[in-house]
Amino acid sequence: GAGVSQTPSNKVTEKGKYVELRCDPISGHTALYWYRQSLGQGPEFLIYFQGTGAADDSGLPNDRFFAVRPEGSVSTLKIQRTERGDSAVYLCASSLGPLSAEAFFGQGTRLTVV
Amino acid sequence: EDQVTQSPEALRLQEGESSSLNCSYTVSGLRGLFWYRQDPGKGPEFLFTLYSAGEEKEKERLKATLTKKESFLHITAPKPEDSATYLCALAIRSGGGADGLTFGKGTHLIIQP
Repeated sequence: GAGVSQTPSNKVTEKGKYVELRCDPISGHTALYWYRQSLGQGPEFLIYFQGTGAADDSGLPNDRFFAVRPEGSVSTLKIQRTERGDSAVYLCASSLGPLSAEAFFGQGTRLTVV
Repeated sequence: EDQVTQSPEALRLQEGESSSLNCSYTVSGLRGLFWYRQDPGKGPEFLFTLYSAGEEKEKERLKATLTKKESFLHITAPKPEDSATYLCALAIRSGGGADGLTFGKGTHLIIQP
C-alpha cells in the first residue's frame, strides 16, 4: 500500500495478557518510530529503528514493552503482562531517513486493557 | 527539561475568521520544529518543518513561522474542513536525548460554517 499500515486497528485484551501490534511502513523507508497517544495528549515517543536495529529505545516505559524489526521493514511492538494503564492508541510512523524528517503516520492501533 | 507548550487548548472560529495557534518551547538544541494535523481516529498528517528562526512556510490557508522561542501556525480565512487538532513537535539534538519527536498536547480547532 501507499501509506503506513497498522494492524489490528482495535485490540481489546484482558489485564495480564500478552499483545502484539504490527506496523508495515512505507516501502523504502529506513526509519521507523513507535509512539503512544493517550486521550487529549500528543503522541509520546517510544522507540526508533534505523534499519533493523533499535537506534533509540529510551521512550519505552518499562521492560514489559519490546519491539523488533528483524528484516528492516515490518515492525512488531510487544507488550507483556498488560496493565489497564497501557490502554492508548499506539502509532507507528516511518520516514526516508533519521531525524524524523517528514514522518508519515499510520492510523494507529487502539489498545484497550480491561 | 525540554518542553513544548501549545495554546490555546481549544479554539472555535467562524468560517473566514483568521487566527493563530501558538507553540512555545524551551529546548537546548533544536534540530527542527514540526507541525502536524490530526483528524479524529487518524494518525497525524505532516504539514511543515521549520529549522531556523525567521523561517516561514505556507500551504494553502496555513502559514507557519518560527522564532527562537516559539512558532505560530497562522490560518487565514479558514473553512470547516480545517477543523482538526493541530500538533506541534520538536526534534531535539541527540546526545542523550530521544531521536523521536517531542509533541505538545495540541490545539483543537473548530471552524463553524
